[in-house]
Amino acid sequence: QKEVEQDPGPLSVPEGAIVSLNCTYSNSAFQYFMWYRQYSRKGPELLMYTYSSGNKEDGRFTAQVDKSSKYISLFIRDSQPSDSATYLCAMSAYSGTYKYIFGTGTRLKVLA
Amino acid sequence: DGGITQSPKYLFRKEGQNVTLSCEQNLNHDAMYWYRQDPGQGLRLIYYSQIVNDFQKGDIAEGYSVSREKKESFPLTVTSAQKNPTAFYLCASSIAWDYSNQPQHFGDGTRLSIL
Repeated sequence: QKEVEQDPGPLSVPEGAIVSLNCTYSNSAFQYFMWYRQYSRKGPELLMYTYSSGNKEDGRFTAQVDKSSKYISLFIRDSQPSDSATYLCAMSAYSGTYKYIFGTGTRLKVLA
Repeated sequence: DGGITQSPKYLFRKEGQNVTLSCEQNLNHDAMYWYRQDPGQGLRLIYYSQIVNDFQKGDIAEGYSVSREKKESFPLTVTSAQKNPTAFYLCASSIAWDYSNQPQHFGDGTRLSIL
């Protein structure tokens, strides 16, 4: 079983839709949770960074963490064609050794 | 502007050839990382460096080598021993290796292909 599971998509939505992207993980030691956006032929760009369960909002983006269910989500409101990219979740922990792992990414296409 | 610069953007390797990918950062970060990205496989850690003159193997180090002679620079050499080098290579950095509360930041990658 992979430590992080992320649906690869592709996910196609119309412009203006609310998008929900998700990851599940198995290791309860993970404490910090990140979402990266990666455009084609570019490096991942840090989008959101959260700690502990709850919600964090930044403009049209909301990151949600549910540690009890080992489930994290990224919501995009009023999605735009410029949001079309691959979204990677990542999580980190220091429990004797440092661990920083990534999901495989979900490809999102927002249709104009 | 602070950031991570990778060069070249595209690189081609011939059989039996070693090639070196450049990574430079001006973020004053201690830790640097090299990842390989293949379709459907996510990011896999090749090597990391916690501090100057120190580096450690990651999950897929075979066929690769690195050096860390300066804080700003962490070049990756893909040797002829790496039989399947075609991939997108990403360099990242963070404030310190064992600060799990500090995220990693990435360059824009180098795409390596075999001729």
